[in-house]
Amino acid sequence: ETGVTQSPTHLIKTRGQQVTLRCSSQSGHNTVSWYQQALGQGPQFIFQYYREEENGRGNFPPRFSGLQFPNYSSELNVNALELDDSALYLCASSLERGLNTEAFFGQGTRLTVV
Amino acid sequence: GQQVMQIPQYQHVQEGEDFTTYCNSSTTLSNIQWYKQRPGGHPVFLIQLVKSGEVKKQKRLTFQFGEAKKNSSLHITATQTTDVGTYFCAGSISSASKIIFGSGTRLSIRP
Repeated sequence: ETGVTQSPTHLIKTRGQQVTLRCSSQSGHNTVSWYQQALGQGPQFIFQYYREEENGRGNFPPRFSGLQFPNYSSELNVNALELDDSALYLCASSLERGLNTEAFFGQGTRLTVV
Repeated sequence: GQQVMQIPQYQHVQEGEDFTTYCNSSTTLSNIQWYKQRPGGHPVFLIQLVKSGEVKKQKRLTFQFGEAKKNSSLHITATQTTDVGTYFCAGSISSASKIIFGSGTRLSIRP
């Protein structure tokens, strides 16, 4: 186990609703990244947070937003859910900011939008 | 846009045979990482390559980073059933502050 925990593990939402996913980073890690993984695809980088500030973003619309708290845990918020948002959402923590350090992934949250 | 292509999509081998997956980027990368994801699991970090032409080995796994830092490969010698899973490469583009995963190569093995 990596020590990265995500909640909830599964979630079903209706199109148009809003959702909040949570992530607790591994002890000592100050950086959290979020990914969306559709079935049969590789993870797609959503954004990274370092010490409560966004530190890089992928090609996702503004309705995908995030927060990082002083204890380095993080939230991913998605507004106005669409059917295509159905995916596994992965959180990964790392020791340093940037994209060149080992990332430790959580088990993910499986989101289904109906 | 920037892309990282990975081939093959699937590979089914006899136990004991070798396996190779290739990764190609449309853009020069700052570094490349490799991950393994077991069915139903999450990606697990295997290694990171940073230097042009770098080669690293982990037991039966050999990782290479191309001279132009646009391609990479993972080679497994004498596969075992424990090697089953999907192998992803992930390239970092520092100037764009983003990381791009390949679509993965799913390895299955006949005992």
